[in-house]
Amino acid sequence: DVKVTQSSRYLVKRTGEKVFLECVQDMDHENMFWYRQDPGLGLRLIYFSYDVKMKEKGDIPEGYSVSREKKERFSLILESASTNQTSMYLCASSTGGPYNEQFFGPGTRLTVL
Amino acid sequence: AQSVAQPEDQVNVAEGNPLTVKCTYSVSGNPYLFWYVQYPNRGLQFLLKYITGDNLVKGSYGFEAEFNKSQTSFHLKKPSALVSDSALYFCAVSLSYNTDKLIFGTGTRLQVFP
Repeated sequence: DVKVTQSSRYLVKRTGEKVFLECVQDMDHENMFWYRQDPGLGLRLIYFSYDVKMKEKGDIPEGYSVSREKKERFSLILESASTNQTSMYLCASSTGGPYNEQFFGPGTRLTVL
Repeated sequence: AQSVAQPEDQVNVAEGNPLTVKCTYSVSGNPYLFWYVQYPNRGLQFLLKYITGDNLVKGSYGFEAEFNKSQTSFHLKKPSALVSDSALYFCAVSLSYNTDKLIFGTGTRLQVFP
């Protein structure tokens, strides 16, 4: 089975801190994604990557950056955390092709105080 | 613009009754359609997908979905609901000519009562 792991289930940070969220997948997938999930808004794509060192902006990239130095690892960085970035963050991976399902990690619930 | 709509925030159904969770989409081109489920405090799990061919697709846990091109719908169904089916359900669409991004609906909470 595909396994996608995220470094933390719960995280509490202070406004202005730099925050790193880590995601690792073990199935050699080309694509990796970062979403945030908010009630009533569904999942919104922040960034995705289709290869090592490659990245594309999603729908809400402002305030975030990403890093993919190795194929299995995709990091989301909040350069200066703000309270409006309090949310559930979900990482996903998939093989190439729009017809392939994405596999999700358990999520990180981030609270910014 | 591409979009997915889940018109019901919540669906309530009694255990043993059939359930339907609605999804409509608006895309140009041929869509690939997906359903995911999220149980409490968990990530999303893939349920089923429509790529091409038979309009009725079967997935995990006894769920099925019917693709209707004329109504641009992809409703999720199950003949007999279980209490354990209570969860948050998301419909999603990707395009055959676009990148591998998915567009998600806002989600429908299914509550199955004993």
